[in-house]
Amino acid sequence: LAKTTQPISMDSYEGQEVNITCSHNNIATNDYITWYQQFPSQGPRFIIQGYKTKVTNEVASLFIPADRKSSTLSLPRVSLSDTAVYYCLVGPSYNQGGKLIFGQGTELSVKP
Amino acid sequence: DGGITQSPKYLFRKEGQNVTLSCEQNLNHDAMYWYRQDPGQGLRLIYYSQIVNDFQKGDIAEGYSVSREKKESFPLTVTSAQKNPTAFYLCASSTPGLGQNEQFFGPGTRLTVL
Repeated sequence: LAKTTQPISMDSYEGQEVNITCSHNNIATNDYITWYQQFPSQGPRFIIQGYKTKVTNEVASLFIPADRKSSTLSLPRVSLSDTAVYYCLVGPSYNQGGKLIFGQGTELSVKP
Repeated sequence: DGGITQSPKYLFRKEGQNVTLSCEQNLNHDAMYWYRQDPGQGLRLIYYSQIVNDFQKGDIAEGYSVSREKKESFPLTVTSAQKNPTAFYLCASSTPGLGQNEQFFGPGTRLTVL
């Protein structure tokens, strides 16, 4: 399974756009890129997933370059409630026996 | 409301005792998972099951056991063989048709072994 590398922590202010980049140099052809959000003492929550190019939903955008060796999670206009740990995961799909491998994640702190 | 329930939220046990953590889902999901999370760390996969009466070891299965007799239930037993059982335990479920790697997580059980 491909290993991911992401910053340990990031700081931001309310209203700013936050971009968290994840490196996954050994991503395989059938791997998907998935991001989760976790608040303290809660289970992670799925945010967004993509295979290539750009994916957008009501919460975030995911940018994936053509070589797929990295990805960037973009959170528009963050608020204090976006303070959480964000995990980047890379792996095959459920139908291919996919297991999720969580790294340390990026601890995002949003300040007023 | 559909979801995953884990009970209890906090659990205390004496060293050397086995303890069973409950995980129930009413989402009709095929697959269920158990993870362990230590402070400041990511989640690590203990066991997973993609179908009733079948399960596979994850990355840190030693000292744990599971059963999957019903689709909606996937209890985890932490045995006395687990060297450092104090941790936050999370159960999740998934099924074909969701996002390729989308799992739904329960609220977790924080186990403290005294």
